[in-house]
Amino acid sequence: GENVEQHPSTLSVQEGDSAVIKCTYSDSASNYFPWYKQELGKRPQLIIDIRSNVGEKKDQRIAVTLNKTAKHFSLHITETQPEDSAVYFCAASLPLKAAGNKLTFGGGTRVLVKP
Amino acid sequence: KAGVTQTPRYLIKTRGQQVTLSCSPISGHRSVSWYQQTPGQGLQFLFEYFSETQRNKGNFPGRFSGRQFSNSRSEMNVSTLELGDSALYLCASSLNQVTDTQYFGPGTRLTVL
Repeated sequence: GENVEQHPSTLSVQEGDSAVIKCTYSDSASNYFPWYKQELGKRPQLIIDIRSNVGEKKDQRIAVTLNKTAKHFSLHITETQPEDSAVYFCAASLPLKAAGNKLTFGGGTRVLVKP
Repeated sequence: KAGVTQTPRYLIKTRGQQVTLSCSPISGHRSVSWYQQTPGQGLQFLFEYFSETQRNKGNFPGRFSGRQFSNSRSEMNVSTLELGDSALYLCASSLNQVTDTQYFGPGTRLTVL
């Protein structure tokens, strides 16, 4: 089945700097790649997602890039702020008709933005 | 629209007991997925239901089961609880499939003593 690896496991940045989190997936048929942010004690919330027919997507300070050939995708946060401190999870899913049509999550990255 | 709700929010059980957790999806959402979150294993997929049918299942023992009702509400059951079942159980709902945006509930924190 699908396997998703996420790096780094922890990331400390100064406020205003950029943060980059990288994920690799194993099944080239995966076609959906969401990113979730989970603050302490709260539920995961979708922050951005990308589908396999798109190479890059941006939403204000957040962007995601997808390299299907290398089977990796990355989350970029620019101009980080203290409220960006959280655990970020990447995930991948196979298409609906595939047996692996489920979200497989990476291990998470704990991001700390220092003021 | 109201968000995804889960009950109960906290549960304490002892080994060998069984437990039932409930999830009410966002109105109009027909797909409900369940996840187990632990510090060591992260977020792991349990199963997904759509139109009262289990459409996909993760790698968990048969002690973990679920069902979905005609109103899309879902329950999961864990029988013969083990210490290792202590976790945050999250459900997520989406319109029709897992690759539609999934909205998570607040979770049920299960502690097995």
